[in-house]
Parts: sequence; structure tokens; C-alpha cells
Amino acid sequence: DGGITQSPKYLFRKEGQNVTLSCEQNLNHDAMYWYRQDPGQGLRLIYYSQIVNDFQKGDIAEGYSVSREKKESFPLTVTSAQKNPTAFYLCASSIGGGIEQYFGPGTRLTVT
Amino acid sequence: GQQVMQIPQYQHVQEGEDFTTYCNSSTTLSNIQWYKQRPGGHPVFLIQLVKSGEVKKQKRLTFQFGEAKKNSSLHITATQTTDVGTYFCAGKHDTDKLIFGTGTRLQVFP
Repeated sequence: DGGITQSPKYLFRKEGQNVTLSCEQNLNHDAMYWYRQDPGQGLRLIYYSQIVNDFQKGDIAEGYSVSREKKESFPLTVTSAQKNPTAFYLCASSIGGGIEQYFGPGTRLTVT
Repeated sequence: GQQVMQIPQYQHVQEGEDFTTYCNSSTTLSNIQWYKQRPGGHPVFLIQLVKSGEVKKQKRLTFQFGEAKKNSSLHITATQTTDVGTYFCAGKHDTDKLIFGTGTRLQVFP
């Protein structure tokens, strides 16, 4: 059953803690992306990776970090430096850049 | 920077009425894609347009790409309650990133 998975679905953290969101895909896609969505808003690109061991900052990378050690996995760490971390985080993958993207179910992060 | 704007932000229609959302880019696009996000869900790819002036149809949905490849529209004929959700356009410029529009939230009343 091919697809892209994110875990957990809901995540609660205290302010000042780092938290890592998981994203795994078995679609054999080279490109992976992390977006942030705030209530009633569009999608803003945090980081993206076109190939293993390489990634680029998106429009709102400050306070976030990523790694791409395996083709299947692209975890996102929300650090304590991120001023407003509470949001809906979406991971996506695609065969290549600018091609249709497949989205995971998302993780709703709440930081109090 | 590169931006993709969508209007309207919200649209409420009676079931059976038509609906249109418009997408405008500040720069020429290589392609434009449309996604639908149901309430509480994640975006799902609908279609991609590549050629200037291209028109594609999916049942009651009609997608257009402008002649200048800077704007696009999605038109739904005779809306149904299953059409409820937020519709996003996403444009590819000269990089490998997609720039997502701000989205149009559609509500359909039975």
C-alpha cells in the first residue's frame, strides 16, 4: 500500500522543547517537502529536498531543521527558536521538482 | 518575491449554483496545479496545466490556464455538497518549488 505517512497525528509540547515530526514515503519519490498551514491560510514552504543528503530552505525556514539521510524519510525538527510553532504541518513528496505533490495526512502541533 | 494570489477567499453557494476561483501570479509560470483540501484533511492533487491557453475538464470541473501563463481559473458547474473544501492553485516558476496560492474556501448549502 503505497503512500506517504506522518506521525503522530496530534502532538502537544511545552514551550522551549524541540520536537521532531516524522515523514516517510514508499513511493520512491526523489523530492520531499515540508509545509506549514495556519488556520484559514495557505501552505508555506519550510524546507525541501530534491535528493538524498541535500535540502534547501523554503520561505519560512527559521526555527526549523531537517535531514534527508534516506530517500524514504524527511524528518522535521521544530526547535525552541521557532516563535509560533503551533500549526498544521504537512509533508509532501513528488517524483521531481514542480511535479504533482502527494501529501501526507499532516501533524497538528500544539505548543503551550 | 514570487506570489500567487487567489480570489475569492471564501465563497458560499447554494447547491446547484456554479462556482469559480481565480489564481494570479506576479510572474510567468511553467505550469500550474490545482489541489483540493477537504475540511480536516490534506491537499489532494486535481490537475496540472502546462500550455498557454490550455483548458481541461474533469466532469463538472473546468480548469483554464491563461494565454500569458500568469493566471488560471477553476470553475465548478452545478455544485454539490461533496465539493465543499478549500481549493488551492500552485504555480511553478523557474525553480523546482511550487508556490501555493492563498486558497478559496467553498461552502455549499443544500
